[in-house]
Amino acid sequence: SQTIHQWPATLVQPVGSPLSLECTVEGTSNPNLYWYRQAAGRGLQLLFYSVGIGQISSEVPQNLSASRPQDRQFILSSKKLLLSDSGFYLCAWRDRTYDTQYFGPGTRLTVL
Amino acid sequence: KQEVTQIPAALSVPEGENLVLNCSFTDSAIYNLQWFRQDPGKGLTSLLLIQSSQREQTSGRLNASLDKSSGRSTLYIAASQPGDSATYLCAVRGSGGSNYKLTFGKGTLLTVNP
Repeated sequence: SQTIHQWPATLVQPVGSPLSLECTVEGTSNPNLYWYRQAAGRGLQLLFYSVGIGQISSEVPQNLSASRPQDRQFILSSKKLLLSDSGFYLCAWRDRTYDTQYFGPGTRLTVL
Repeated sequence: KQEVTQIPAALSVPEGENLVLNCSFTDSAIYNLQWFRQDPGKGLTSLLLIQSSQREQTSGRLNASLDKSSGRSTLYIAASQPGDSATYLCAVRGSGGSNYKLTFGKGTLLTVNP
């Protein structure tokens, strides 16, 4: 069966510090991968998606970036965090057979 | 640009009641619609997926309907239980072969009181 992991689960970072969030998927190959952010009152916002290694599409211009160095690894990064980067970050993968997205447990990021 | 709206934003019901959650979308050119559940501080769990050619899908006490032409979907929960308390999100996938993105509503926070 497929499993999706995210770490860390919780992170508190000062403004201006770098960020690296990691997502890995087990039990499937060449999945579509997604990064979402959920902020209070704003719903779930798609940040990046990837259809293959090295292929990244950005949905929202911001100080975040994403990379996919391996087939089942998706990384969200920032060189300098802003207060507005606080939120709940979710990684997801898409099951091509059933066209369903499956979500990881999320990372709660607080920027102070 | 697709917009998804969910009404009500919050709902509180006594245990055992049947209830309906609503979802509307502005662009009827969708590929499918999906309902998710999110528990506090957790990721999303897929509940039901309805293809654009379908009218409804059922899973246990859940029934989701889709009226693509009017841009509406409903999630019906029968005989609600306290364990159903969660936020329910609706998401649509746009049509187009390479469009694998979902647009989400803000969700309905459901509380089922014992």
